Amino acid sequence: KAGVTQTPRYLIKTRGQQVTLSCSPISGHRSVSWYQQTPGQGLQFLFEYFSETQRNKGNFPGRFSGRQFSNSRSEMNVSTLELGDSALYLCASTSQTGGQETQYFGPGTRLLVL
Amino acid sequence: SQKIEQNSEALNIQEGKTATLTCNYTNYSPAYLQWYRQDPGRGPVFLLLIRENEKEKRKERLKVTFDTTLKQSLFHITASQPADSATYLCALDRADKLIFGTGTRLQVFP
Repeated sequence: KAGVTQTPRYLIKTRGQQVTLSCSPISGHRSVSWYQQTPGQGLQFLFEYFSETQRNKGNFPGRFSGRQFSNSRSEMNVSTLELGDSALYLCASTSQTGGQETQYFGPGTRLLVL
Repeated sequence: SQKIEQNSEALNIQEGKTATLTCNYTNYSPAYLQWYRQDPGRGPVFLLLIRENEKEKRKERLKVTFDTTLKQSLFHITASQPADSATYLCALDRADKLIFGTGTRLQVFP
């Protein structure tokens, strides 16, 4: 099976712009989660989508949004970019076995906001 | 609030030795805990999962323990190799999502 893919891998934007990141989960996985990773804060949960519905949300401002399509592919959008949004954005698709979930991460999109 | 702490920012050990990484948590009793490995510029890779009713789990050179009384998990890499150098993250389940620690960077030198 192909792994989780994310596009683009690298992105440079300026303050005030908006950005859309894309994630394709492992085939058959219906849940997609998004994380922001920075050196200071570590890996922080943004939101999770399951069957096109947001199932869970972290503590991020409304500038961060996402959606999931019927083929389970997901996008996240950040509007009005701020310098502090510079980070590695990771997408993970989830498999559920015996009540425990395991996440399979993509390579991430590195966003730099200037 | 929920808090996860991993020991020290960097752990340096000599090849062949056993590396031991610590994950402590507070204010919660997770049903399971996971360990991931992350290399620079890449996403985390799942290594092991241990349930609350399991004391120990092994996979090749890896061993994980889970002490729900101490609220602590230990992650051991025996016969460590330079290729084991990476950042190791622990994660626990919380309200239907995974909460990650900030990770411990392990450096194994020859």
